[in-house]
Amino acid sequence: EPEVTQTPSHQVTQMGQEVILRCVPISNHLYFYWYRQILGQKVEFLVSFYNNEISEKSEIFDDQFSVERPDGSNFTLKIRSTKLEDSAMYFCASRRGDQPQHFGDGTRLSIL
Amino acid sequence: ELKVEQNPLFLSMQEKKNYTIYCNYSTTSDRLYWYRQDPGKSLESLFVLLSNGAVKQEGRLMASLDTKARLSTLHITAAVHDLSATYFCAVDSAAGNKLTFGGGTRVLVKP
Repeated sequence: EPEVTQTPSHQVTQMGQEVILRCVPISNHLYFYWYRQILGQKVEFLVSFYNNEISEKSEIFDDQFSVERPDGSNFTLKIRSTKLEDSAMYFCASRRGDQPQHFGDGTRLSIL
Repeated sequence: ELKVEQNPLFLSMQEKKNYTIYCNYSTTSDRLYWYRQDPGKSLESLFVLLSNGAVKQEGRLMASLDTKARLSTLHITAAVHDLSATYFCAVDSAAGNKLTFGGGTRVLVKP
């Protein structure tokens, strides 16, 4: 069964550094998403992306965050200057039509 | 702003007994999803509920949706240890641009 794949599985970064989280959505999906989950808390929406542009973004997704689909397969989330509170599990998801969003295994981001 | 509330937050279950998890949401939506998350793992889709009165069943789990009451339930029949996990409901926005998740229900099934 097709899967959403995310790399790396764990990223450790110094505060203030830039980080890029990578995702390969399922190939025939058209809608892409990023969510995050701080340890032990609920899943929070960050941003959705369709037709090469952002469809919606949350208050969390400020100007330190950006997304990009640099080619036909990858979907990336960049955090320009990381803060301690950015430490979380970041999930990429993709969707086709009315089907449920399929989630990747996540990237655990640890900011030191 | 859409709010999604689940209860209970934690459910300690005995094997072979039946339990229900509730998911209330604050604005009109016809699309609700249930996901399962094992510790440290991703979110696995369990059910998609797309209309009022929708009922889906898979094994010991059954989900239903009442859009008028803005309520979904996840019913567990004859709990078994394998069902220990955290269960999330999530409501889709009208435009389908984002999911708003409930706080999750951590389920622990004890022998």
